[in-house]
Amino acid sequence: GDSVTQMEGPVTLSEEAFLTINCTYTATGYPSLFWYVQYPGEGLQLLLKATKADDKGSNKGFEATYRKETTSFHLEKGSVQVSDSAVYFCALSREAQKLVFGQGTRLTINP
Amino acid sequence: DTEVTQTPKHLVMGMTNKKSLKCEQHMGHRAMYWYKQKAKKPPELMFVYSYEKLSINESVPSRFSPECPNSSLLNLHLHALQPEDSALYLCASSQLQGDRVYGYTFGSGTRLTVV
Repeated sequence: GDSVTQMEGPVTLSEEAFLTINCTYTATGYPSLFWYVQYPGEGLQLLLKATKADDKGSNKGFEATYRKETTSFHLEKGSVQVSDSAVYFCALSREAQKLVFGQGTRLTINP
Repeated sequence: DTEVTQTPKHLVMGMTNKKSLKCEQHMGHRAMYWYKQKAKKPPELMFVYSYEKLSINESVPSRFSPECPNSSLLNLHLHALQPEDSALYLCASSQLQGDRVYGYTFGSGTRLTVV
């Protein structure tokens, strides 16, 4: 079945550091790919998405490129802020209406 | 309106109680979902409604009973829950284009504690 694998956390960085959170997927065909962010005590917010190979999703300084050849959708940000501290979920959608999540990566940014 | 609104935000209930969680959206989305999220875990799909009809039930125990009265509302009726059912319950909605999901939007969730 479809699956998503994220790098294990927690990840701790200093403010203004470069961020990469790795995400790889297993799915047949061409799934849509998503990154969601969950701040403490809140629901999930869509951070960015890509629906076909080589698409780049971007939002709030975060970027991720849909790489079909490596089945990856790594999340990057050039300079993180304390306010970026949250849990980040990579997810895919292929089958009707189902969203398959990775395990989540907890990110902590220290001032 | 680009939100999914869930009420209540917090709920404490006894194992013999009956309660309901409510979810509302006015984005014209025709698919609505219930997810359950335990601490430090990703959300797990429970139910999917497409065009107000139940299309997916992920083998959820019958003590959870979903209802979709119209295209904007989704309820989750709870009865005889167990302490292990304590979790964050998330509602979501999405646009549908064929079988593909687009524009998935989550609510802030109801944090349920069963005592």
